[in-house]
Amino acid sequence: EPEVTQTPSHQVTQMGQEVILRCVPISNHLYFYWYRQILGQKVEFLVSFYNNEISEKSEIFDDQFSVERPDGSNFTLKIRSTKLEDSAMYFCASGPSNRDEKLFFGSGTQLSVL
Amino acid sequence: GESVGLHLPTLSVQEGDNSIINCAYSNSASDYFIWYKQESGKGPQFIIDIRSNMDKRQGQRVTVLLNKTVKHLSLQIAATQPGDSAVYFCAERARGGGADGLTFGKGTHLIIQP
Repeated sequence: EPEVTQTPSHQVTQMGQEVILRCVPISNHLYFYWYRQILGQKVEFLVSFYNNEISEKSEIFDDQFSVERPDGSNFTLKIRSTKLEDSAMYFCASGPSNRDEKLFFGSGTQLSVL
Repeated sequence: GESVGLHLPTLSVQEGDNSIINCAYSNSASDYFIWYKQESGKGPQFIIDIRSNMDKRQGQRVTVLLNKTVKHLSLQIAATQPGDSAVYFCAERARGGGADGLTFGKGTHLIIQP
């Protein structure tokens, strides 16, 4: 079964540093998402991406965050200057053309900001 | 604001018994609901979905019930197995155009007792 792949599985960084989280969505999907989950809390929506542009973003997704689909296969989330509160598990997800269909999630990148 | 929430944080059942996990939602604009299962260290895994024009949908050992009158969603798991132990999230998607993100509930931890 096709799956969403995320790298790295763990990322440790110093506060103020830039990080890039990488995702390879399922190849025939058109909708891409980033979610995050702070330890012990619910999964929170960050951003959705369709047709090479952001479709929707939450309040969490401020100017420090950006997304990119640089080469037609990868989908990246960049945090420009990490803060301690950015520590969380970040999940990438993708969905097929119909927005109502189920999303497939990757296994996540655990980001630890020290 | 409107949100999706769960009634019980932890549910413990005996292996082989049936389990019911409940979810309340308050966004009347939601027209699509999904149940996800999350095992420790992994991303959410799709279980079953239901559209708002349906009351019930069955999968393999799972049934989702939707009561729009009281804005209630439930997931029934029949003949529970040890592999069913996980956190279960309900999620909703509001009506609207474009690629909209899911709103997740807080999660219920299902524990299967041997």
